[in-house]
Parts: sequence; structure tokens; C-alpha cells
Amino acid sequence: SQQGEEDPQALSIQEGENATMNCSYKTSINNLQWYRQNSGRGLVHLILIRSNEREKHSGRLRVTLDTSKKSSSLLITASRAADTASYFCATERNNNDMRFGAGTRLTVKP
Amino acid sequence: KAGVTQTPRYLIKTRGQQVTLSCSPISGHRSVSWYQQTPGQGLQFLFEYFSETQRNKGNFPGRFSGRQFSNSRSEMNVSTLELGDSALYLCASSLRASGESYRDEQYFGPGTRLTVT
Repeated sequence: SQQGEEDPQALSIQEGENATMNCSYKTSINNLQWYRQNSGRGLVHLILIRSNEREKHSGRLRVTLDTSKKSSSLLITASRAADTASYFCATERNNNDMRFGAGTRLTVKP
Repeated sequence: KAGVTQTPRYLIKTRGQQVTLSCSPISGHRSVSWYQQTPGQGLQFLFEYFSETQRNKGNFPGRFSGRQFSNSRSEMNVSTLELGDSALYLCASSLRASGESYRDEQYFGPGTRLTVT
């Protein structure tokens, strides 16, 4: 079963716009990670945020974590066509296993 | 550093057969995790190995098994294949094991696409 749920399931924007994806989860976590996957290939790690952190940045990526609401968001600023991919959140729970959400399919139109 | 490698990349098997998939982690990484990805169920955790020991196991039947060797390379085996086992099997490695205070990000291989006919 999946722990995280991404919202929206699909997102289509124009190049240059910002994209925001959300992730909600159900149980307490050690950390939350965001990954990107290009069409049927392996996943690429984007950001890891620990349960005692509230916000992290990496280049054009900004991740927030609200443990009281059990939710996280991934913001991609100034999107590019190359950002077109599926984005997954993954939570590492206190019992050590990792659970992935269903993903958000992002399409960035040139 | 070389990335995570998985072999074979593509595999076609018949129901009832068994299959072994291989994963070589990034040099120095001791944790190897396996995931199954299908359109219907998404990404599901199979198991994690660290220092040749299984640390965690997902909710999969006993037909799914794995092992890790002293050089951290890992194999997973699926016996008595079923049509529903058709999936992309992903392997990921990381420096530290899950549950440790400073969990590292996982580095994924390209996956093995298994088709069961």
C-alpha cells in the first residue's frame, strides 16, 4: 500500500511558470524525499527533508514540510520543458520502510 | 563514480518460471533496496539489504526473495512467476541503511523490465 498521495495527479503548465506539487502522508515519518522519473526509467533523487526541518532549497526547487498537517510541497520555479517528468514523494517511516506516492505527472509546454 | 547498474535491462519469461535480477550498487554503498513499479500499484517497496542482512521487507509473497553479497551486490529472485509480476523492478543504493539518524538519498538504477507471458 502507498503512504503518500500526490496532488494533483497531473499538471500541465507553460515554460517559465512555476509548478507546485503536494504530498500528504498518514503516519509519522523520519524524512521525506522527492524524486523525479522520466518515462519508465530510474528515479532521480531531488531533495531529502528531515522531520525536524521545515524548508529546503536546491536550485530551482523548494520543498516544505508540515509535520502537523502531514504534508509536503515541491515547488519548481521557472519551469523548463526538460522538467517534464513524473514526480514522487517518498516517506521513510519510523519502522524504517519507505513508501512512495502515486506521483504527479508534470508536463511543461515549450 | 559509476551509477547503480541492473542486469538484465529487459526480460521475458513464461508463467511458472523463475527469474533472478541483479543489482550492483554505487561503490561504497552498503544499503540496497528493491522496488516494484506497475501502472496499477505504483512504486512498492520489496526489501532492503544492508551488510548482507535483510533489514526490511514489504508486503509481498514469499515468492519474492533476495540476497546481498559481501561486495554489496544484490540479487532478487521471483519464483513461480505470475502474469501480475510483470513490472519494472528498480534497485536503489545508499550509503546508510534506513532508520539511521542521517538517512541518505537513494540512487536508483535504470530498472529491469520484466514481462511475464
